[in-house]
Amino acid sequence: GAVVSQHPSWVICKSGTSVKIECRSLDFQATTMFWYRQFPKQSLMLMATSNEGSKATYEQGVEKDKFLINHASLTLSTLTVTSAHPEDSSFYICSANEGASRGWSNEQFFGPGTRLTVL
Amino acid sequence: LAKTTQPISMDSYEGQEVNITCSHNNIATNDYITWYQQFPSQGPRFIIQGYKTKVTNEVASLFIPADRKSSTLSLPRVSLSDTAVYYCLVGGGGGADGLTFGKGTHLIIQP
Repeated sequence: GAVVSQHPSWVICKSGTSVKIECRSLDFQATTMFWYRQFPKQSLMLMATSNEGSKATYEQGVEKDKFLINHASLTLSTLTVTSAHPEDSSFYICSANEGASRGWSNEQFFGPGTRLTVL
Repeated sequence: LAKTTQPISMDSYEGQEVNITCSHNNIATNDYITWYQQFPSQGPRFIIQGYKTKVTNEVASLFIPADRKSSTLSLPRVSLSDTAVYYCLVGGGGGADGLTFGKGTHLIIQP
């Protein structure tokens, strides 16, 4: 099946610094990827839709200037948390769909997640 | 997307069949029903998807009544490794949109 990877798997940073998280589709091309955030003991919340070659679409309440998304190729999307603060500490998960590369399938493939801790 | 309601938690024992029911009274005509499984500190994993009647794959079955206002995920002969959170989602089946996750059901399997 399709595989999505994330890097790093965990990161600890100081308050005020920026952190970049990568999401890669390893064996398929993904014109669209999605970024989610999950706080402890809570469900996943969709943050934004990452579109290859165009601007990302952010969900209501998500600051686009704080969470920068770049989808420069069909296999890579990056999420940069700028000027991170302790309240940004969370589990960040990306997903991708094979989409047009194999005809739309009904399954989204999720990455393993990135645990961000801001001190 | 249609809102879903699931039990917050369920307990069962190894070797038993587990059925988790999800209510989605406002499901739209073009909505599919999809179930995901999530282990702690991992991304969700697709289990099964259906539109109506019954769908079966190598890990689970999905039962959907004619009115589609609910669905039941059936896990045959569960093991300890099936302890996880199970999410029921309804929406377009094409995968072109981000997913809206509800609270999920925390399934705990005991020896």
